[in-house]
Order: sequence, then structure tokens, then C-alpha cells
Amino acid sequence: QKEVEQNSGPLSVPEGAIASLNCTYSDRGSQSFFWYRQYSGKSPELIMFIYSNGDKEDGRFTAQLNKASQYVSLLIRDSQPSDSATYLCAADSNYQLIWGAGTKLIIKP
Amino acid sequence: ETGVTQSPTHLIKTRGQQVTLRCSSQSGHNTVSWYQQALGQGPQFIFQYYREEENGRGNFPPRFSGLQFPNYSSELNVNALELDDSALYLCASSPRGYSQETQYFGPGTRLLVL
Repeated sequence: QKEVEQNSGPLSVPEGAIASLNCTYSDRGSQSFFWYRQYSGKSPELIMFIYSNGDKEDGRFTAQLNKASQYVSLLIRDSQPSDSATYLCAADSNYQLIWGAGTKLIIKP
Repeated sequence: ETGVTQSPTHLIKTRGQQVTLRCSSQSGHNTVSWYQQALGQGPQFIFQYYREEENGRGNFPPRFSGLQFPNYSSELNVNALELDDSALYLCASSPRGYSQETQYFGPGTRLLVL
């Protein structure tokens, strides 16, 4: 059973600090990795995707991938209250996405 | 707004009934994927339709079936509803098969089975 694991949280971070979200995956064949943000009662919204080992930056967001350790992370710099949401990690496996259960992030003003 | 619409927004059914959920894809997108998201869980892939053909299926029983129309809108049908089918059903459209990086989700249909 191919899996993506995330800490369910909640992860509480002060406003302005860096939020660090982590994810591990079991399928060594996965090539593409995705971070989605989901507000309560809403559908997921793609934040970033990453294919290559290393870091990928987009504004306040940085995705990090380590294929040897089967580990993906998302850093959110200068966290804002509007970043409070559930963050879902997903990995492609046999042309479908395998999703983690999400980490609930709370940004405290 | 992503341009992907779903109907209805909410639905209540009883065990054993059948349900049809609908999705209109974003203009220019020929691929629709359906997901089931139970409370507190991540989405689970049900199946994908590409140019009116099923293009991949997750670990769901045959009572979950689908259809894609020539205008690329799609339906998800669930027969013999079970209590565990209560979930948020999401559809996502993309401009071509397997392009998850350009996949846009609709607002979802929340199904409650009593």
C-alpha cells in the first residue's frame, strides 16, 4: 500500500515566524510532489510542486525534496494568519496522486 | 474561482440509494479526475476521464462509476450507498491527462448517507 504520511498537528506558529511542514512517502518511484492548502469546508488549492532534489522557492513558500530519504517539506516564511489552513502533501504514483491526511497549521497573531 | 463547477453542493441520501454527482470542467480542459475526501483525511483518487474514456482508477469498488461527455463535463455515479460513502466528493479538471500540476479543483459536493 503506497502511502504519504504527515503529522496531523495542529502546528501552532506565531505570526511572522517560519512554519515548517513535513511529509514522507513510501513509493520510491514517485517523481512529482505537490503541496496543497485547504481551508475548512473548501477544496484543495495547489501551492507548489517539485520534481527535483533540493529547494524550490516561490514567494514566501519553499518546497524541499530529498528523494534518498523520501522526504518532502514546505517552509512558509513570515507566516500570516491567512496561512492558517490544512496543508496536504501528495505524491504521484502510477499516474495518480497519493495524498497525506494533512497537517493543520494555526498562525497565532 | 477555478472555473470548475460541481452540483449539487450538498446531498443527503439513505443507505442503499443511488446518487449522481456532476462536474463541469474548466474551459479548454479535457481531463476530469474524481476524488473522495472523508472527514479528517486527504483526498483519495477514484478515477480519471480523458476524452470520454476512463484513464485510470483507484481502489474503489465497481459501484463507483463515471461518465464523461463530449463537452468534457463528467458524472460520478455511486450505487448501493453505504454509510462510509459519506464524504466530500471533489472533481478536478486539467488540460491533459496526468497533468497534476495544472489540475484545478471544483468546490466539491458534500454527501451524507444516513
